[in-house]
Amino acid sequence: NAGVTQTPKFHILKIGQSMTLQCTQDMNHNYMYWYRQDPGMGLKLIYYSVGAGITDKGEVPNGYNVSRSTTEDFPLRLELAAPSQTSVYFCASRSGEASPLHFGNGTRLTVT
Amino acid sequence: AQSVTQLDSQVPVFEEAPVELRCNYSSSVSVYLFWYVQYPNQGLQLLLKYLSGSTLVKGINGFEAEFNKSQTSFHLRKPSVHISDTAEYFCAVTRRSNASKIIFGSGTRLSIQP
Repeated sequence: NAGVTQTPKFHILKIGQSMTLQCTQDMNHNYMYWYRQDPGMGLKLIYYSVGAGITDKGEVPNGYNVSRSTTEDFPLRLELAAPSQTSVYFCASRSGEASPLHFGNGTRLTVT
Repeated sequence: AQSVTQLDSQVPVFEEAPVELRCNYSSSVSVYLFWYVQYPNQGLQLLLKYLSGSTLVKGINGFEAEFNKSQTSFHLRKPSVHISDTAEYFCAVTRRSNASKIIFGSGTRLSIQP
């Protein structure tokens, strides 16, 4: 099994551009998450989903959008990128509420 | 709303010395608690978790943590660290009544000196 796969691994975006970070998992997990990691700040929850068609905001949702049309995929959309969105983005999934998270390897995004 | 505080951003220790990484959470309801480890340039992986039962939880790589409800703490310990334990460690909490949302602390960077 591949687990949680994120693409791309790295990307440089110009201010005001848009892009989609891809996340797919092959474990049939209902729960999926997007976090951003900034130095000294830990992981901040952006959006999460408890199943196909259901999404909810996390701690820092502004400037981002998500969709969950299938169990496997949970793309994160950045509209009008800003330098403050420079970060490492992690996607994660889990099978149930008491289960551990399985993380992807991250996407390092620079907005310049 | 729940929150997690990791009191030390960095902890330097000598190899084979014991270590404790501190984690306090804020929640008025029952919680599940987790410790994750992140090795350089990798994603996070689970070290251990507390769901219920015994308050002393053992994890991988010789780590253990103790849940203390009265002090709302979940400190991580290892009696003797190795160079390979150099990593960043994250405490995470989720409410039992609505465990969809998982909140992480700011992390503690453990550096092992020979």
